[in-house]
Amino acid sequence: GQQLNQSPQSMFIQEGEDVSMNCTSSSIFNTWLWYKQDPGEGPVLLIALYKAGELTSNGRLTAQFGITRKDSFLNISASIPSDVGIYFCAGQLGAGGTSYGKLTFGQGTILTVHP
Amino acid sequence: DTEVTQTPKHLVMGMTNKKSLKCEQHMGHRAMYWYKQKAKKPPELMFVYSYEKLSINESVPSRFSPECPNSSLLNLHLHALQPEDSALYLCASSQGRRRDNDEQFFGPGTRLTVL
Repeated sequence: GQQLNQSPQSMFIQEGEDVSMNCTSSSIFNTWLWYKQDPGEGPVLLIALYKAGELTSNGRLTAQFGITRKDSFLNISASIPSDVGIYFCAGQLGAGGTSYGKLTFGQGTILTVHP
Repeated sequence: DTEVTQTPKHLVMGMTNKKSLKCEQHMGHRAMYWYKQKAKKPPELMFVYSYEKLSINESVPSRFSPECPNSSLLNLHLHALQPEDSALYLCASSQGRRRDNDEQFFGPGTRLTVL
């Protein structure tokens, strides 16, 4: 089945530093999603990307949908302690086909921010 | 109202018990999902309901029985579970229209412990 390679697996940074993480796939996706999950809570959608090459920002977060449709990155600028959590990328196939509705998740990036 | 709610927050049950997890959304979404998540791993899809009909069952054991009484509610009935079924169970919903921008929104989850 499809797999997403998400890296890095974990990051330990100082408050104020910028963060970058990415996901790559052997298959094409029509939608890329980035979620953040706090301990004991459900994933929260941060950014959704729908078009190859699309660059989207949400506050200090910026994400891009790769031109080949097989990759995406998420940048966090000027990190703060509340950025701590697990970040998941997820790819979604297009509107047709039997796999519609399924998300393929990356393994997650665990972010720790030291004050 | 832009959230997915789940009850209970925590559940402890014995292997002979019967219990149910509940999920509710009032966003007018027509697709609802059950996921299972182990610690520090990505969510794993279990079931998808589209317009109140079961559209995807990811070969889940029959001790898990989903039910969608109406477009706002999703239940997961549990019976004769095993300790390895202990996990965070997440509900999600999406608009459900067959188009590319059909992002999923997650609830806070139910932490299930099977003794």
